[in-house]
Amino acid sequence: DQQVKQNSPSLSVQEGRISILNCDYTNSMFDYFLWYKKYPAEGPTFLISISSIKDKNEDGRFTVFLNKSAKHLSLHIVPSQPGDSAVYFCAASAGNQFYFGTGTSLTVIP
Amino acid sequence: GAGVSQSPRYKVTKRGQDVALRCDPISGHVSLYWYRQALGQGPEFLTYFNYEAQQDKSGLPNDRFSAERPEGSISTLTIQRTEQRDSAMYRCASSPPSPGNEEKLFFGSGTQLSVL
Repeated sequence: DQQVKQNSPSLSVQEGRISILNCDYTNSMFDYFLWYKKYPAEGPTFLISISSIKDKNEDGRFTVFLNKSAKHLSLHIVPSQPGDSAVYFCAASAGNQFYFGTGTSLTVIP
Repeated sequence: GAGVSQSPRYKVTKRGQDVALRCDPISGHVSLYWYRQALGQGPEFLTYFNYEAQQDKSGLPNDRFSAERPEGSISTLTIQRTEQRDSAMYRCASSPPSPGNEEKLFFGSGTQLSVL
């Protein structure tokens, strides 16, 4: 059973606008959440993370929001740039196991 | 190099053959993970090492899969008697020591395994 879900396989956004990628999880024991970005033929690279004791973490153009009651997190990218076009994976962990979503392919249109 | 290195990059093998996939983690990284990623899916956990100790192998699908990290650095994932369903991208990740639960995984580029 998929414990981390990304229900949107793809998303297209105009350059300069906000990109919002969503992720839902089922396991209330998850206490740490991460977003990874993946370019073709490369491994996923760490983007941003958030601990369950916070509801927001910001790093430059990237902000992750966590809604524990809804078991939902989102990644906001603003302003979106063409170089942001990639597949974004949401991940959650409890202990040393990491569970990944299936990814959302973001295309930023120049 | 500075990143996680995996070899070979591509492996094509015939059904029934054994394969060994190698992972060279980032120097100083204590934790090492193996993941399998099918096309269009997220990485799926296989096993995890802390130094040379295999802490969790609950994700290994069956006893044809094994992994070792004898000196706490390089790790090998071995698949015996390969089957077509084993075809996937196998990714290794390593993680430095980190406070609390805030580990960050650094992934290699993966080994694409094709079993004919």
